[in-house]
Amino acid sequence: EADIYQTPRYLVIGTGKKITLECSQTMGHDKMYWYQQDPGMELHLIHYSYGVNSTEKGDLSSESTVSRIRTEHFPLTLESARPSHTSQYLCASSPNYGVGYGYTFGSGTRLTVV
Amino acid sequence: EDQVTQSPEALRLQEGESSSLNCSYTVSGLRGLFWYRQDPGKGPEFLFTLYSAGEEKEKERLKATLTKKESFLHITAPKPEDSATYLCAVRSYNTDKLIFGTGTRLQVFP
Repeated sequence: EADIYQTPRYLVIGTGKKITLECSQTMGHDKMYWYQQDPGMELHLIHYSYGVNSTEKGDLSSESTVSRIRTEHFPLTLESARPSHTSQYLCASSPNYGVGYGYTFGSGTRLTVV
Repeated sequence: EDQVTQSPEALRLQEGESSSLNCSYTVSGLRGLFWYRQDPGKGPEFLFTLYSAGEEKEKERLKATLTKKESFLHITAPKPEDSATYLCAVRSYNTDKLIFGTGTRLQVFP
């Protein structure tokens, strides 16, 4: 059973709209991540956070922004959606201790911008 | 630059036909190598962590091994429910973040 939740699962939205993808975890993890994944392609890190009020950009440039006001919540926002933003967005978390603990991923949000 | 390459891109097996998936990596100081399983439309599910050459981990029909340059995921007598994309990722001493390969898409037919 998933301990990290993403909503919505699917979103079809028009160009220029503002959207927020939600991600919440109940494990008390300090570290959280957003990955972008196109079909058949690798996961690319776009944002990460090591705790409240801490956010950093990942390896793949993204026009999205994130916030971390509460430990359990790490939303991603696109101010003006474009067709190039169409992709799957995956949220993940990991504990602050132990390098061997793998990330726990949510089920993802599949975003389509028309 | 840390890099992960997985092969083959896709693999079709008959039920019961054992095989191996390869993950080659280049990393400046390996902190851990991770295997994940991803089903269509879902997020990756953690399988194993390997830390040093010679280490092996097993889970049901899956066995992961590690050398200084690559890791193998051996699948023994696979079943159709093993069909999924298997992802490999590394974490280095330079960065805390996971670097993923593109995955191997496995299909097991009855």
